[in-house]
Amino acid sequence: ETGVTQSPTHLIKTRGQQVTLRCSSQSGHNTVSWYQQALGQGPQFIFQYYREEENGRGNFPPRFSGLQFPNYSSELNVNALELDDSALYLCASSLKGQETQYFGPGTRLLVL
Amino acid sequence: AQSVTQLGSHVSVSEGALVLLRCNYSSSVPPYLFWYVQYPNQGLQLLLKYTTGATLVKGINGFEAEFKKSETSFHLTKPSAHMSDAAEYFCAVRGNAGNMLTFGGGTRLMVKP
Repeated sequence: ETGVTQSPTHLIKTRGQQVTLRCSSQSGHNTVSWYQQALGQGPQFIFQYYREEENGRGNFPPRFSGLQFPNYSSELNVNALELDDSALYLCASSLKGQETQYFGPGTRLLVL
Repeated sequence: AQSVTQLGSHVSVSEGALVLLRCNYSSSVPPYLFWYVQYPNQGLQLLLKYTTGATLVKGINGFEAEFKKSETSFHLTKPSAHMSDAAEYFCAVRGNAGNMLTFGGGTRLMVKP
């Protein structure tokens, strides 16, 4: 059974650029959630996708958007990057109706 | 709305000593509660969870936690610390009607030889 994988592992962008982060969910999981973890803080919920549609959103602006594909993999897109977007971005997969989310290793984004 | 408070951003114990990491939560619905561990430069690994039933839950690596509704707490314990336990620990809550996890700020556990 393959766990949650994310790519790339590290990324450096400049302010104003756009970035796309990718996540492959654990085998059999149909729900993907994204979290932002700033340095020294706990993860914060960005949004969740189920059946290719957004299924809940945290307190993040619209420049944070996502996609889920038929194979349940997912993308997180961030437009007009700001310095404060520098963080570890975590993807978690789960099975709809079950409470446990399983996390990937994360993508560390640095915005200069 | 849900929230999680972890008392003590840093906890230091000696190897072999008791580990106690504190977590208090607020939730408008019966909560699901989780403890995750994060090693340096890695993602989150589930240690244990409480959903319903027995209030004392056992997890991996010898950790356990007790759900106390009257105290709105879910403290994490381990009888004897090991050097490999040094990591960041996060408590999280999920309302059973919701779909997001709300995390505390984390507690960094340091284990001294």
